[in-house]
Amino acid sequence: DTGVSQNPRHKITKRGQNVTFRCDPISEHNRLYWYRQTLGQGPEFLTYFQNEAQLEKSRLLSDRFSAERPKGSFSTLEIQRTEQGDSAMYLCASSSPNKRLNTEAFFGQGTRLTVV
Amino acid sequence: QQQVKQSPQSLIVQKGGISIINCAYENTAFDYFPWYQQFPGKGPALLIAIRPDVSEKKEGRFTISFNKSAKQFSLHIMDSQPGDSATYFCAASMNSGYSTLTFGKGTMLLVSP
Repeated sequence: DTGVSQNPRHKITKRGQNVTFRCDPISEHNRLYWYRQTLGQGPEFLTYFQNEAQLEKSRLLSDRFSAERPKGSFSTLEIQRTEQGDSAMYLCASSSPNKRLNTEAFFGQGTRLTVV
Repeated sequence: QQQVKQSPQSLIVQKGGISIINCAYENTAFDYFPWYQQFPGKGPALLIAIRPDVSEKKEGRFTISFNKSAKQFSLHIMDSQPGDSATYFCAASMNSGYSTLTFGKGTMLLVSP
């Protein structure tokens, strides 16, 4: 399977705990995006990387959220001191650097976070 | 500020009918307009996309109509099938799509047998 892979698929955590999600993008894609999707809403942009550089962060990304992409390969998204409002599907997407051919963003299946 | 407005919120169509979903955008810098299909528990998957240099793009049963002056675009699903039942999201992006996506709120489509 050469698609975008996200782990874990589901995470239940107690309020106040820290959680970390992992995303493995399509191997030749140099851009990696994180989105958050709440029930009944479209995905909302959180942050993106080009290779290992984090180029943009949404105002939705509070200081409790941190994302990394060491070596420009997989990425992790960490949420510290989780709150019930953090409950959502966290989606990762990657895209190709070849603008001429295809700029499609491919999404993973997401990590469903439930904060209890 | 919602930059991409999508309607309707939900839609029920009989098998064989035409499903139409509409979107409107505000930012004239957008130059790439994809539609994504999402099944429960899955991530969004690209269905079809259009750039503003054309007014229509067709791929199989799926057609995007684009009206640049009105800043509107729509998805038409011809001969709708029960397997098309899913949530559909319109989106918009800059830089020919090599940029972040701004999504609409989604349309839940149910195609009745």
